[in-house]
Amino acid sequence: GNSVTQMEGPVTLSEEAFLTINCTYTATGYPSLFWYVQYPGEGLQLLLKATKADDKGSNKGFEATYRKETTSFHLEKGSVQVSDSAVYFCALHNNDMRFGAGTRLTVKP
Amino acid sequence: DTAVSQTPKYLVTQMGNDKSIKCEQNLGHDTMYWYKQDSKKFLKIMFSYNNKELIINETVPNRFSPKSPDKAHLNLHINSLELGDSAVYFCASSQGAPGVGTDTQYFGPGTRLTVL
Repeated sequence: GNSVTQMEGPVTLSEEAFLTINCTYTATGYPSLFWYVQYPGEGLQLLLKATKADDKGSNKGFEATYRKETTSFHLEKGSVQVSDSAVYFCALHNNDMRFGAGTRLTVKP
Repeated sequence: DTAVSQTPKYLVTQMGNDKSIKCEQNLGHDTMYWYKQDSKKFLKIMFSYNNKELIINETVPNRFSPKSPDKAHLNLHINSLELGDSAVYFCASSQGAPGVGTDTQYFGPGTRLTVL
């Protein structure tokens, strides 16, 4: 079946550090891949997405590349800010939406 | 204007009670969803409706009953509440039917249910 595995948190970084949150998936066919972000006390918001192999999604300095050969969609940001503190969810859509377990990121000044 | 709204935002109730959570979207979307997020932030889909028809019904107790009076509303009614029902419940909507791979889901702010 379809599933998403993302790195367990929590992740704590200092401001301006480099961020990587790993995400791998299992699916048949060609799923679409997403990263959602949940700020404290809010619902999930789409951060970026990619719909086919080698596509790169990007938004707010975050990037993720759809790698079919490694079935991965790792989230990266070159320089994190305190305001990036949130829970990040990797997700795939292949007939239905499946979310990873979420990774909590805390950025300290 | 709020795209996906839920009421109430917080709900505290006793075991055994019956309660409802309402959801409305003003995006003109055809599909609406209910998700449950537990204390560890794990997000699990419960139901999906497309144009008022049930599409996805994951394994949830039949104490949970969704109702869609029109495609802009999807309410969740819970009978005989149990301690394990305590969670944050999110409503979401998307333009197309489930299975449309590029569809972005738009989430409401969540309803935190606490069962005492």
